[in-house]
Amino acid sequence: EVQLVQSGAEVKKPGESLKISCTGSGYFFSSFWIGWVRQMPGRGLEWMGIIYPRNSETRYSPSFQGQVTMSVDKSISTAYLQWSSLKASDTAIYFCARQDPAQNYDSWGQGTLVTVSS
Amino acid sequence: DIQMTQSPSSVSASVGDRVTITCRASQGLGRWLAWYQQKPGKAPKLLIFAASSLQSGVPSRFSGSGSGTDFTLTISSLQPEDFATYFCQQTHSFPRTFGQGTKVEVK
Repeated sequence: EVQLVQSGAEVKKPGESLKISCTGSGYFFSSFWIGWVRQMPGRGLEWMGIIYPRNSETRYSPSFQGQVTMSVDKSISTAYLQWSSLKASDTAIYFCARQDPAQNYDSWGQGTLVTVSS
Repeated sequence: DIQMTQSPSSVSASVGDRVTITCRASQGLGRWLAWYQQKPGKAPKLLIFAASSLQSGVPSRFSGSGSGTDFTLTISSLQPEDFATYFCQQTHSFPRTFGQGTKVEVK
């Protein structure tokens, strides 16, 4: 069974750094792109970008370029999303998802709630 | 960026009703469109890909149609477990973009 398991909820202060994770199992992790999607409280879905674990190739949405960094450690089947300096507006649930060869997100992590508050 | 506009934003319906949700793209997508269902507190779930292909395990009461700029998701006979929010997503160009969502509520 394909599974993506994300790290737990985080509470941070503005200006702090953060790295959240997404660990895949049940499939060959390196062969499928991993996407990240943001959902702000009570809002819709926003596509942030994707990363290819085999070679760490990335595609960022212009809205998130320079705001976050995606990375992977394929040796442990884990993708990461990180911030160097959080803002209150980063408060949201962040989902990772596996992109199938047809470009669709066929398996999702459970989401990581990030709360940024002073 | 390709803008995706869903309508309506919400719909009130009863069990057994036929529900139709539309998604319009700001430029042609061919058939590069997917539909997702999201329930409160849960991750989205892929329902339809390539505009009209049913994802494995999804009930046949869900169907998709359309191409180019206009697409439709139809639930032929609404079931209690179908009350949720539905999103379209274009998979034609980067950045991928989602519609704003359509909430299917109890009438």
